[in-house]
Amino acid sequence: DIQMTQSPSSLSASVGDRVTITCRASQRISNYLNWYQQKPGEAPNLLIYAASSLQSGVPSRFSGSGSGTDFTLTISSVQPEDLATYYCHQSYRSPYTFGQGTKLEI
Amino acid sequence: QITLKESGPTLVKPTQTLTLTCTFSGFSLTTSGVGVGWIRQPPGKALEWLALIYWDDDKRYSPSLKSRLTITKDTSKNQVVLTMTNMDPVDTATYYCAHRRADGDFGVWGQGTLVTVSS
Repeated sequence: DIQMTQSPSSLSASVGDRVTITCRASQRISNYLNWYQQKPGEAPNLLIYAASSLQSGVPSRFSGSGSGTDFTLTISSVQPEDLATYYCHQSYRSPYTFGQGTKLEI
Repeated sequence: QITLKESGPTLVKPTQTLTLTCTFSGFSLTTSGVGVGWIRQPPGKALEWLALIYWDDDKRYSPSLKSRLTITKDTSKNQVVLTMTNMDPVDTATYYCAHRRADGDFGVWGQGTLVTVSS
């Protein structure tokens, strides 16, 4: 199985801060890496697919980068509505594993 | 517009079999590259990928749960069914189904259904 490791597991930020979340795969997965945002009490929502493609309707302050084993999700200017847990997910090979999540507190 | 909705029991007893149905609209499960996946989330914990069925009826399962899971599709009803045998309290979770796009991501998710395992 491909293990996905996110860091940090939680972080606190102020409105306007730049925030970076890291996801590392236990083996190379090309760019088959997706990011989801899950707000409290809601289902996850796709933010970034194929490592760096912004899902339609997602604010441009979100961006993704990386390839191979190391990936990052960046929020350029954190907003109050970004309070959520963020998950990476590899779609390279079954089982299509998720990271353990990064909880963002504002 | 793609939508998915999970349905099934909210409470099951230990050792029972759980059957969950995902009813979807806005896409066809006969389209190349498309799939429907199941993901669960125990209260306060992370997402766990369970199973996926592809448009061509290829099926993939989490290795740790493979012996207990079965995923099937009924394209005429636009439904995907997940069964999980021998339920245990540790299986208490919100179960989500999601639309798998050709890129491999889960572009749209259902609202989820909380299943509690308790005697």
